[in-house]
Amino acid sequence: QKEVEQNSGPLSVPEGAIASLNCTYSDRGSQSFFWYRQYSGKSPELIMFIYSNGDKEDGRFTAQLNKASQYVSLLIRDSQPSDSATYLCAVRGRDDKIIFGKGTRLHILP
Amino acid sequence: GAGVSQSPRYKVTKRGQDVALRCDPISGHVSLYWYRQALGQGPEFLTYFNYEAQQDKSGLPNDRFSAERPEGSISTLTIQRTEQRDSAMYRCASSLGAGSYEQYFGPGTRLTVT
Repeated sequence: QKEVEQNSGPLSVPEGAIASLNCTYSDRGSQSFFWYRQYSGKSPELIMFIYSNGDKEDGRFTAQLNKASQYVSLLIRDSQPSDSATYLCAVRGRDDKIIFGKGTRLHILP
Repeated sequence: GAGVSQSPRYKVTKRGQDVALRCDPISGHVSLYWYRQALGQGPEFLTYFNYEAQQDKSGLPNDRFSAERPEGSISTLTIQRTEQRDSAMYRCASSLGAGSYEQYFGPGTRLTVT
């Protein structure tokens, strides 16, 4: 059974600080990795994707991938109250099946 | 349309009835995925298509659930003889193709079985 694990939180971070969200996955053959943000009552919204080991930066967001450790993370710099949401990690395997974690609730404290 | 659309947005049905949920993907998107999402949980994979071919249906909970995409565009998820435990948000997502492509979600259909 392929699994994607996330800490459910809530993770509370002061406004302006760095929020660090983590995800581990079980399928070593996984190909690509995604971070979605989901506000309460809304659909998941893609914010970052990464395919290669290392870091990928997009504005205030940085995705980090370590395939050897089967670990992917998302850093949010200069956290804003509007970043308060559930963050979903998703992993695509060689079979193109995409598995989601249960999500981490992030709360930015004003 | 610009995004993935789903209909109906809300469906209330009585136990034992059949329901059909529709997904209209982004134009030109080859891959289409169905998920079920319970409150406070991540989306749970149900099935996916490339064009009209169903590639993987391992996530369908039982044989009351089926899906089709006959012309490689619009897809229908059908639940026969609904049960209360089927109540959930059903989400559809599409992506440009197989391989490492990101997917985009529709607004979902909230199904309530009474």
